[in-house]
Amino acid sequence: NAGVTQTPKFRVLKTGQSMTLLCAQDMNHEYMYWYRQDPGMGLRLIHYSVGEGTTAKGEVPDGYNVSRLKKQNFLLGLESAAPSQTSVYFCASSKGERSTEAFFGQGTRLTVV
Amino acid sequence: AQSVAQPEDQVNVAEGNPLTVKCTYSVSGNPYLFWYVQYPNRGLQFLLKYITGDNLVKGSYGFEAEFNKSQTSFHLKKPSALVSDSALYFCAVRDGSSGANNLFFGTGTRLTVIP
Repeated sequence: NAGVTQTPKFRVLKTGQSMTLLCAQDMNHEYMYWYRQDPGMGLRLIHYSVGEGTTAKGEVPDGYNVSRLKKQNFLLGLESAAPSQTSVYFCASSKGERSTEAFFGQGTRLTVV
Repeated sequence: AQSVAQPEDQVNVAEGNPLTVKCTYSVSGNPYLFWYVQYPNRGLQFLLKYITGDNLVKGSYGFEAEFNKSQTSFHLKKPSALVSDSALYFCAVRDGSSGANNLFFGTGTRLTVIP
């Protein structure tokens, strides 16, 4: 049981380049989330999804887009990368009840130069 | 609006001593509270949660947390710290009553257990 898998684990982008981060979960979870982690700021929610075909904005959505075409996958896109998007990105998933904990992937370390 | 505060960026404790990592929260409805631990270059791992019932909840690796509604706190505790407990700890809150299902995190507390 792999849990939550993020691809890639590391990436270096040049300013203005685009990329997509892939998150896959095999737990049949309804909810999926993308967070970014920056020193001293904890985890901030970028976008989330409460089910296949649905997405919603979190705290810091600007510069990012997401898609959830399949229940098990949640994609995070950067259309035109900026140095301010240098961060560690975490995907998480949880069952569709508020009382359940989220399960996290191992993270993607992205550097934009 | 929901929010979580972890007032201490860093907590140092001697091995074998009790440890406490503090967390206070703010939600409109019923609070669902969670603690996670992060080891270097790893994702977050779930430790324990409070949903309802007994104010003292027990979790993984000997950790426990006490929910205090009047003080809006959910402090993480362990009776005897181990060097292997050294890590980054995050408190999180979700509104259990209404609104979006977002999980809001604090800024984290780095725990160092000194041998």
